[in-house]
Amino acid sequence: AQSVTQPDIHITVSEGASLELRCNYSYGATPYLFWYVQSPGQGLQLLLKYFSGDTLVQGIKGFEAEFKRSQSSFNLRKPSVHWSDAAEYFCAVDHGNEKLTFGTGTRLTIIP
Amino acid sequence: DVKVTQSSRYLVKRTGEKVFLECVQDMDHENMFWYRQDPGLGLRLIYFSYDVKMKEKGDIPEGYSVSREKKERFSLILESASTNQTSMYLCASSTLQGSGYGYTFGSGTRLTVV
Repeated sequence: AQSVTQPDIHITVSEGASLELRCNYSYGATPYLFWYVQSPGQGLQLLLKYFSGDTLVQGIKGFEAEFKRSQSSFNLRKPSVHWSDAAEYFCAVDHGNEKLTFGTGTRLTIIP
Repeated sequence: DVKVTQSSRYLVKRTGEKVFLECVQDMDHENMFWYRQDPGLGLRLIYFSYDVKMKEKGDIPEGYSVSREKKERFSLILESASTNQTSMYLCASSTLQGSGYGYTFGSGTRLTVV
């Protein structure tokens, strides 16, 4: 069965520091990959997505992610975090039949 | 921008009640989804629909049903609410048309069953 793993339940970083959130997927073919962010009490907002082509994708709010087929990974990065980036982040994979499977999420805390 | 609107942000219902959660999207998307979100479990797919009057079970359909009589509206029904259905419910829509393939989510309905 297809699955998505986010190994870090909670990450704390200092404001201005770099960030990398990990995501690994299990899927037979090249999947469609997504990162979403959820602020407290809100719905999910799309940060970026990968379908094909250039393996480094740029998203909103200064985020980027790199698809690495050999590692079955799609890690999210940001060079310098801001206090407003504190939220929960979800990686998701499209099965290929227009259904999303989500990871369990990574909660990001920013310290001054 | 596509808007997905969930009719209630917060609901409190009693055990055994029949509960309706409503979701409306305004961009003519073919596909609509219901997820529930629980701490430590992420989002889990309950039901989805690829077209009007069509529905498919997701990963956790037990205790739920859905209705899609119009393209823009997808309702989630808890036939007899139970305390283990206390959760955040998220509706989403998507389309394969054009280059903008992706999922748009509503703001969620936090349901408490007492």
